[in-house]
Amino acid sequence: EAQVTQNPRYLITVTGKKLTVTCSQNMNHEYMSWYRQDPGLGLRQIYYSMNVEVTDKGDVPEGYKVSRKEKRNFPLILESPSPNQTSLYFCASNDRGSTYEQYFGPGTRLTVT
Amino acid sequence: GENVEQHPSTLSVQEGDSAVIKCTYSDSASNYFPWYKQELGKRPQLIIDIRSNVGEKKDQRIAVTLNKTAKHFSLHITETQPEDSAVYFCAAPAGGNQFYFGTGTSLTVIP
Repeated sequence: EAQVTQNPRYLITVTGKKLTVTCSQNMNHEYMSWYRQDPGLGLRQIYYSMNVEVTDKGDVPEGYKVSRKEKRNFPLILESPSPNQTSLYFCASNDRGSTYEQYFGPGTRLTVT
Repeated sequence: GENVEQHPSTLSVQEGDSAVIKCTYSDSASNYFPWYKQELGKRPQLIIDIRSNVGEKKDQRIAVTLNKTAKHFSLHITETQPEDSAVYFCAAPAGGNQFYFGTGTSLTVIP
């Protein structure tokens, strides 16, 4: 089954404790992205990647890191989480070419206290 | 960069009526405009998209119209049903694989 998976689905942590949210896709897509969703603000892109070892900042990259060492994986790293990073996070992938349809993962609900 | 504005933020319609959601964008180079539907507790999913070389696209009860001159595009849902209740997002690209999404419209269809 074609899908994007994220782990963990729920995470409660404390300020300053480094964490990683994993993302994996099995559709052989070139492109991957991370978004955060906050009430009233919609979906905002954090980082995106258009190829292995190629990453670019989105609209709200501050406080986040990503890496793309393999085509299928695109982890999101919060080196020192803060309460304002409490949010719902979605990973997405899409293919290069004629379609830009993004396939979203199930989401990760992060709470930073 | 791109700026996408979406209206209204909430919309309630009676079952069977039509619903229209509008988005404006700022980057005249944008050439692809998708609409995503997000049901409560679920992930966003693409429901329809349009490219800048056409003015309208229809898929059963949903349609999208694009006015490139005015830089706005709209989602039209006809004969609304309770299962259409969800949050709808528009989006526009900004080069590379960068996308800007609207702030969402929460649609409620009243049976």
